[in-house]
Amino acid sequence: AQSVTQLGSHVSVSEGALVLLRCNYSSSVPPYLFWYVQYPNQGLQLLLKYTSAATLVKGINGFEAEFKKSETSFHLTKPSAHMSDAAEYFCAVSRSGGYQKVTFGTGTKLQVIP
Amino acid sequence: NAGVTQTPKFQVLKTGQSMTLQCAQDMNHNSMYWYRQDPGMGLRLIYYSASEGTTDKGEVPNGYNVSRLNKREFSLRLESAAPSQTSVYFCASSATAIQETQYFGPGTRLLVL
Repeated sequence: AQSVTQLGSHVSVSEGALVLLRCNYSSSVPPYLFWYVQYPNQGLQLLLKYTSAATLVKGINGFEAEFKKSETSFHLTKPSAHMSDAAEYFCAVSRSGGYQKVTFGTGTKLQVIP
Repeated sequence: NAGVTQTPKFQVLKTGQSMTLQCAQDMNHNSMYWYRQDPGMGLRLIYYSASEGTTDKGEVPNGYNVSRLNKREFSLRLESAAPSQTSVYFCASSATAIQETQYFGPGTRLLVL
């Protein structure tokens, strides 16, 4: 069975500071990994995804994530937080091959302090 | 190009009432999904439709039914609403496989009293 754990349900950073949102996954086969963002009162939208190509994945709005197999991690980072980054972020995992369901983490709410 | 649209945006029901949540996508996607989002629990898959004419249960299907009306539309029905079904419901679609990028609608907030 696959699963994903997001460490910290709430993270606060100052504007201009590094954003680091943590995600660890469990999968018995090579995974697909995703980060989605949800702004208030909206649906989720894809930030970036890993599908076994480059281990460092660049996404929209300056976010990136690095796949580390040895640590089973896929942490999301952004060098400098902007007020508009305040949102909830979801990590998700799926197994590659066939029609495999996606399992979402419980989410991390990012607060950006001016 | 509206993407994924959902109606209604908000609904209040009494226990035992029924309702249908509507979802449509204009991206010519084959696969569509219904999720519910509850605080601290992330998104949980209720039902999905891999392609027109097929539907399958997800993680939490009890109390729900779905219809894939055509390639564009995928509805979710609550036959007899219960307070435990108070949640935010999201419809999503993807081009083909479930593990591909999913595009989400804006959600329906449902309150069951």
